[in-house]
Amino acid sequence: QKEVEQDPGPLSVPEGAIVSLNCTYSNSAFQYFMWYRQYSRKGPELLMYTYSSGNKEDGRFTAQVDKSSKYISLFIRDSQPSDSATYLCAMSAANAGNMLTFGGGTRLMVKP
Amino acid sequence: SQTIHQWPATLVQPVGSPLSLECTVEGTSNPNLYWYRQAAGRGLQLLFYSVGIGQISSEVPQNLSASRPQDRQFILSSKKLLLSDSGFYLCAWGRNTIYFGEGSWLTVV
Repeated sequence: QKEVEQDPGPLSVPEGAIVSLNCTYSNSAFQYFMWYRQYSRKGPELLMYTYSSGNKEDGRFTAQVDKSSKYISLFIRDSQPSDSATYLCAMSAANAGNMLTFGGGTRLMVKP
Repeated sequence: SQTIHQWPATLVQPVGSPLSLECTVEGTSNPNLYWYRQAAGRGLQLLFYSVGIGQISSEVPQNLSASRPQDRQFILSSKKLLLSDSGFYLCAWGRNTIYFGEGSWLTVV
């Protein structure tokens, strides 16, 4: 079993829909949680960075962490065709510095 | 603000040829530096990381090596490329989290 599981998709939604992207993990030591967006043939771009449990909102994006369930989510409101990309979750333990464990990524397609 | 530059963006190399990918970071000092590889349809694989000049840790035994000759410069090399070295190579720098460069697409033919 992988440390971080992420459905590869593709997830196809109509423009304007609310998108929910999720990751589950097994290592209870993870305390820092990140979401990256990766467009085709580009490097991943950091979208959200959260510590421990709770929610964090940035514009149309909301990151949610439920440590009790070992489950993290990224919600995208009013999705746009420009949101079409692969979304990678990543996480690290408090004593692991920048050593991230990545999910395999979910490919999202937002259709106009 | 910090920026990361990585080059070349794309290259096609014959089997057995050498490789050199370069990465520089601006706007920060003594960053942690990383080389990742992303093969088609697969996740990100950490290849090397460095916490300082001349300090390189290898995560995966392979045909590649890394060097950090200056504080904000990280180089990925190979003496003889294999077909299996093809992939998308990403340099990254980190503080509390990791920031990636634009990547280098390597095709070994």
